Amino acid sequence: GENVEQHPSTLSVQEGDSAVIKCTYSDSASNYFPWYKQELGKGPQLIIDIRSNVGEKKDQRIAVTLNKTAKHFSLHITETQPEDSAVYFCAASPNKLVFGAGTILRVKS
Amino acid sequence: NAGVTQTPKFRVLKTGQSMTLLCAQDMNHEYMYWYRQDPGMGLRLIHYSVGEGTTAKGEVPDGYNVSRLKKQNFLLGLESAAPSQTSVYFCASERGDTQYFGPGTRLTVL
Repeated sequence: GENVEQHPSTLSVQEGDSAVIKCTYSDSASNYFPWYKQELGKGPQLIIDIRSNVGEKKDQRIAVTLNKTAKHFSLHITETQPEDSAVYFCAASPNKLVFGAGTILRVKS
Repeated sequence: NAGVTQTPKFRVLKTGQSMTLLCAQDMNHEYMYWYRQDPGMGLRLIHYSVGEGTTAKGEVPDGYNVSRLKKQNFLLGLESAAPSQTSVYFCASERGDTQYFGPGTRLTVL
């Protein structure tokens, strides 16, 4: 079955800097790659997603890139703000979502 | 719209006790899911349902049962709780490919 690895497990950045989180997947049949943000005490919430027929997608300060050949995809957050501090999960879906282990992002002001 | 709600928010059980977690959604979604979240392991799928009256096993189904008698509700049962089931449980419903999560239930089994 699908296996998703996510790195790093924790990431600290200074406010205004960029943050990058990387994920790799194993199943070449995966065709949908969402990213979820989980704030303390809440359930995860979708922030951006990308499909296998697209190489890059951007939404304001957030962007996701996908390299199907290498089976990896990344989340890029520019101009980080304190409210970006949260746990971020990547996922891959050949049919059901398989989640990475999560990245704790801390934005220091 | 309340979205996805879960009850209870917190629960402490003793080993061997049983309980049911309730998930409700008011978005008329067909697909619903139960996950458990453990430190360093992300979200793991326990069971899911593709519609009223249907259920299917996910990645970690052992020790859990589910029922979907009504479209809006998805129940997760623990018949005989074990300490290994200490976790945070999330329910989600799905529209298209987007999953909408509830706020979670923190369960501790002593």
